[in-house]
Amino acid sequence: EVQLVNSGGGLVQPGGSLKLSCAASGFAFSDSAVHWVRQASGKGLEWVGRIRTKVNSFATEYAASVKGRFIISRHDSRNTAYLQMNSLRIEDTAVYYCVPSLTFCGGNCYDWGQGTLVTVSS
Amino acid sequence: DIQMTQSPSTLSASVGDRVTITCRASQSANNWLAWHQQKPGKAPKLLIYKASNLESGVPSRFSGSGSGTEFTLTISSLQPDDFATYYCQQYRSYPYTFGQGTKLEIK
Repeated sequence: EVQLVNSGGGLVQPGGSLKLSCAASGFAFSDSAVHWVRQASGKGLEWVGRIRTKVNSFATEYAASVKGRFIISRHDSRNTAYLQMNSLRIEDTAVYYCVPSLTFCGGNCYDWGQGTLVTVSS
Repeated sequence: DIQMTQSPSTLSASVGDRVTITCRASQSANNWLAWHQQKPGKAPKLLIYKASNLESGVPSRFSGSGSGTEFTLTISSLQPDDFATYYCQQYRSYPYTFGQGTKLEIK
């Protein structure tokens, strides 16, 4: 069974930092890119960024809204991806999800997991 | 960036109805288009990938079509479990982008 378990969310002050984790199981994690998507309360889905596989040099891409503040990494031997969030702003408050690549997992291993809530507030 | 626009934003329908949701892209997404379903308080769920491919375990009453800039999600006969919000997503180019969502309500 495919599972993605997010953790690390919580309450943080504006300007602070937080690191989210995404533990995957049930599929070939190291062969799939990993994406992060967020959703503010009552709002739509927003793509945050992506990290590719080792074969693709762990290349990263970010949304303009988080570029320079967020860093995505992965540890394939632990089947885990991370989202390091720095210089957090109130507008970063959202539920954060990690998801695998649609091109790799569409049809057999795609899962959204349960997400983890990040609240940025003073 | 490719902008995704869904219509309608809200749709009222009855059990048994056939419904269609449209998603338009500001530039071609080829067929790199997914549809996700989300129920209140829950994580989204992938329904359709690559425009017309049904995700494993998704009922066959769901279908997707289209390519380029216009896509549709069709539910052939609405069931009570289908009342939810639906999002399209392009994964043709970065940044990946989502439509604003279509809320499917019970009439």
